[in-house]
Amino acid sequence: EADIYQTPRYLVIGTGKKITLECSQTMGHDKMYWYQQDPGMELHLIHYSYGVNSTEKGDLSSESTVSRIRTEHFPLTLESARPSHTSQYLCASSESGFPTDTQYFGPGTRLTVL
Amino acid sequence: SQQGEEDPQALSIQEGENATMNCSYKTSINNLQWYRQNSGRGLVHLILIRSNEREKHSGRLRVTLDTSKKSSSLLITASRAADTASYFCATDGEHDMRFGAGTRLTVKP
Repeated sequence: EADIYQTPRYLVIGTGKKITLECSQTMGHDKMYWYQQDPGMELHLIHYSYGVNSTEKGDLSSESTVSRIRTEHFPLTLESARPSHTSQYLCASSESGFPTDTQYFGPGTRLTVL
Repeated sequence: SQQGEEDPQALSIQEGENATMNCSYKTSINNLQWYRQNSGRGLVHLILIRSNEREKHSGRLRVTLDTSKKSSSLLITASRAADTASYFCATDGEHDMRFGAGTRLTVKP
C-alpha cells in the first residue's frame, strides 16, 4: 500500500456547500495530482503540482481549486458544490515530474452532492 | 484527452483461465504502464514496460509492447477470484500520464 491518504473516504453534501478534500503523502514526492473518475470510466486529470507553490490545471475543466503550501499536502476545494460534481476524486503522487514516473494513488473520496 | 484505449471493455472468465487485455495508443511513448483498480479504491501500479522492450514478466503477469502497432497486451495467467478488478493502461503525455477507460475483469470462482 502506498503512503498516500485521502479524507474523507465518503462525503454526502447539499448543493451550495463549500468542501475541501484532503490528500497527504509521506513519501516526500514532489509531484501530486488530482483525478476525477465516474464509475466504470476513465480518469480525468483536473489538477497537478510540481512542488510547493506550484499548481496547474489538467485536461478536464474543473470548478475546483487546489493549493500546495507543503510538499506532503495537496487539498482540493469546491467553493459551491453542485450535483454535477458528484464523482470519485483520486489523489496521486510521483517521485519526480517526469510523465514516465510511476504514480501512487490514494484510496479516493466518493463525493455525492444532493 | 485519453491516450490509451483498452479492449475489451469487460471480460468475464472462470478461475484458472488466462485473461488477456489489450491497449492501443495514438502517439509515440517512452513507456507504458498497467494499473489495477479494485472497486471503489485507488489505482495500484502493476508493471512498466519501456519503449525499447518487447516483453516483460512479473509473477503471473506478462506484458507485451508493439511500438510499430502502438499496442500493448496484459496477460494474467491462472486467474483467481481475487484478480477481479479494472485494469488500466497508462502512457506518458506531455506533462503527465494518460489513462484509458480500463477493462473490467470478472473472475468467477
